Amino acid sequence: GAGVSQSPRYKVAKRGQDVALRCDPISGHVSLFWYQQALGQGPEFLTYFQNEAQLDKSGLPSDRFFAERPEGSVSTLKIQRTQQEDSAVYLCASSSGTGPVGELFFGEGSRLTVL
Amino acid sequence: AQKITQTQPGMFVQEKEAVTLDCTYDTSDPSYGLFWYKQPSSGEMIFLIYQGSYDQQNATEGRYSLNFQKARKSANLVISASQLGDSAMYFCAMRDSWGKLQFGAGTQVVVTP
Repeated sequence: GAGVSQSPRYKVAKRGQDVALRCDPISGHVSLFWYQQALGQGPEFLTYFQNEAQLDKSGLPSDRFFAERPEGSVSTLKIQRTQQEDSAVYLCASSSGTGPVGELFFGEGSRLTVL
Repeated sequence: AQKITQTQPGMFVQEKEAVTLDCTYDTSDPSYGLFWYKQPSSGEMIFLIYQGSYDQQNATEGRYSLNFQKARKSANLVISASQLGDSAMYFCAMRDSWGKLQFGAGTQVVVTP
């Protein structure tokens, strides 16, 4: 597709359920990012891939959060045993560059609500 | 560790006026990129402008310009001739030499007629 695609757009989970959020980056983009954005806040960095290598996962809030990009294209963010504080919009972004140059292109986000 | 600070939580600006959004950053990395993004209430993140740490001239894109003061570690965004459609959240962000991009807390801009 032409842009970054995320699914599902909306997800409601009961506390304790596992969820999986998918990101389909722009074709050929090497870098892929996940961010968590709470209402009224700036996006918080979660993790960053270059191709299939996860270069930085320092932003993952707990070991309940796990991200993968096994073939260097599509990525999945998995949240196990969801908690209410996990409610947020999860943004995925991709970039053709690997250094400080080049803007990130963002998907529309996956809004997770944990009841 | 890098850090991006936006000290203005919200601003009102009159249509056709210019507005400056403040951004300061902290990094020990000599190579970095500075970005501004706009996020309207609909939620999409829209790239506005980029400035590289080695760029000598301030970046401009249409009505957007970036006032880059490297020694002060500031990268303020100037929006000239504000329009009602400029009402949105604005985020300053920095990308380090490894490619990791982090955002500031944002500034909410409301343009009034």
